[in-house]
Amino acid sequence: NAGVTQTPKFQVLKTGQSMTLQCAQDMNHNSMYWYRQDPGMGLRLIYYSASEGTTDKGEVPNGYNVSRLNKREFSLRLESAAPSQTSVYFCASKGTGVLLSGYTFGSGTRLTVV
Amino acid sequence: AQSVAQPEDQVNVAEGNPLTVKCTYSVSGNPYLFWYVQYPNRGLQFLLKYITGDNLVKGSYGFEAEFNKSQTSFHLKKPSALVSDSALYFCAVRVLRDDKIIFGKGTRLHILP
Repeated sequence: NAGVTQTPKFQVLKTGQSMTLQCAQDMNHNSMYWYRQDPGMGLRLIYYSASEGTTDKGEVPNGYNVSRLNKREFSLRLESAAPSQTSVYFCASKGTGVLLSGYTFGSGTRLTVV
Repeated sequence: AQSVAQPEDQVNVAEGNPLTVKCTYSVSGNPYLFWYVQYPNRGLQFLLKYITGDNLVKGSYGFEAEFNKSQTSFHLKKPSALVSDSALYFCAVRVLRDDKIIFGKGTRLHILP
């Protein structure tokens, strides 16, 4: 099925460990995004990429890095995980143009840092 | 600064009754407005959007939303609620010149059988 694929779905890390969350979309969308979702906080933008080769910080970028590997893939890296990064992470993509102005979301990665 | 407010953390409605989930926004420029729904352990699913034109927008699963420019609101409505409508609902806004969408904090909708 066309859409946004995130891996892994679940992950438990120890404090200080590193990991990369993977995201890929097959809709030929230019823009890709990483959000985190925490209870009572809604979705907060971590980083986004408006096009291949570009990335920009969102609302809560500290402790994260991203790579827009190609048009399809946008990865999120935690270099040294902290308990405050326990969250559900969503990747999203968006096409261009008025009729394609909404997001398509992946199913999420539930990350626990102990 | 752009912002979206969902003033209710939770809304309870009896099955068969009409429902409203409130959303207000603050942006400079013309807004694009969205509603998304999230079922347990799932990603967000698009419900409907307002870009321009008719202030009443119809979307998926019988939902609709009314854009009110003077009140800067975009409330989600449904004439007759179903138990299966129970979920977390997010309002979101995008300004045309900006490539980002800002989400509200979400409203949990409980439909009581």
